[in-house]
Amino acid sequence: DAGVIQSPRHEVTEMGQEVTLRCKPISGHDYLFWYRQTMMRGLELLIYFNNNVPIDDSGMPEDRFSAKMPNASFSTLKIQPSEPRDSAVYFCASSPDRVTPLHFGNGTRLTVT
Amino acid sequence: GESVGLHLPTLSVQEGDNSIINCAYSNSASDYFIWYKQESGKGPQFIIDIRSNMDKRQGQRVTVLLNKTVKHLSLQIAATQPGDSAVYFCAENIAGNQFYFGTGTSLTVIP
Repeated sequence: DAGVIQSPRHEVTEMGQEVTLRCKPISGHDYLFWYRQTMMRGLELLIYFNNNVPIDDSGMPEDRFSAKMPNASFSTLKIQPSEPRDSAVYFCASSPDRVTPLHFGNGTRLTVT
Repeated sequence: GESVGLHLPTLSVQEGDNSIINCAYSNSASDYFIWYKQESGKGPQFIIDIRSNMDKRQGQRVTVLLNKTVKHLSLQIAATQPGDSAVYFCAENIAGNQFYFGTGTSLTVIP
């Protein structure tokens, strides 16, 4: 298995622009997670899905952030409009259930200028 | 939220020596713990896990120790190699809810 695949690896955009991050989880994994990593706050859970249904989005910073999972093999995290404080590395992870280790992708490094 | 913290933000060891990375957790109800390794430019990678009904678990060159009395978790790496240089995170979980990650310890192996 190729593991969790994220794209793009790097994204540089100007404040106010829309940003879309993409994730393909490991086949057969029923859970998908979006995390944000910064030096100040470490790894923060933004939202997670079970069988394509959002279960907990309490970590989503504000209405500018939205996430979708239209099918079992694809998820997006969208920021509109983006702000400089959104600059971070965004990770997608998947797992077969809630009590097994998460498998992380290699992240998308987002820079908003 | 939960509090998961690491005692040492940085650790330098000589190649071949053993490394010990520590982690404190605050919630006595946490029942599942994982150690992750994160190399530069990559996502966290699973190393080893332990459930609360165990005190010790061994893998290849790694051992995790859990002390529930003082809510402390440690990762021991035997015969540390340059490829072990990375940031190490502990994560805790309570009854299948979300994982809470520590802030990480940066391990540098000196050749």
